[in-house]
Amino acid sequence: GAVVSQHPSWVICKSGTSVKIECRSLDFQATTMFWYRQFPKQSLMLMATSNEGSKATYEQGVEKDKFLINHASLTLSTLTVTSAHPEDSSFYICSAMAGPDTQYFGPGTRLTVL
Amino acid sequence: GQSLEQPSEVTAVEGAIVQINCTYQTSGFYGLSWYQQHDGGAPTFLSYNALDGLEETGRFSSFLSRSDSYGYLLLQELQMKDSASYFCAVRVRGTGGFKTIFGAGTRLFVKA
Repeated sequence: GAVVSQHPSWVICKSGTSVKIECRSLDFQATTMFWYRQFPKQSLMLMATSNEGSKATYEQGVEKDKFLINHASLTLSTLTVTSAHPEDSSFYICSAMAGPDTQYFGPGTRLTVL
Repeated sequence: GQSLEQPSEVTAVEGAIVQINCTYQTSGFYGLSWYQQHDGGAPTFLSYNALDGLEETGRFSSFLSRSDSYGYLLLQELQMKDSASYFCAVRVRGTGGFKTIFGAGTRLFVKA
């Protein structure tokens, strides 16, 4: 079946540094990918929709200058958390559309900012 | 805006049947999905309903009534491994294209 990978699976960084998370569709092309954030025991909150070759569409309340999204190819989208702070510590999950009705999720990246 | 409501917790015994309801208020509705998530893991896709009716996949079934803005996930022959969080999610289309919005999740506890 379709697989979406994320790298790294976990990362610990110091406050003020930037962290890049990669999301890859391994056996299909995805013109649209999504980035979600999930805090412990909470739901997945959509941060932005990443479209290949164009600017990402951010949800209300998500700082586009802080969470930089690049969808440079049909199989790769990246999320960069700039100037990370402890409150950015979360589980970041990407997903990719494999068809009009099918959305696959990556395994997630756990970010801890010290 | 979009809103989804589902119970926060459900407890059932092994072998039983449990139904998790989901009501939604949304614009640009296309379909209703269900996802399962175990602690520490990513969500896994269970089902998607775009049309009214019941979809069955093994022990899991999902139902949608578009006129009532309502759906449910039915889990039969519960097993201990079914203990997890279950999210309903609406697929909507807005100015930026399609996106999936998740409900708050229902934590299912299966007891022996």
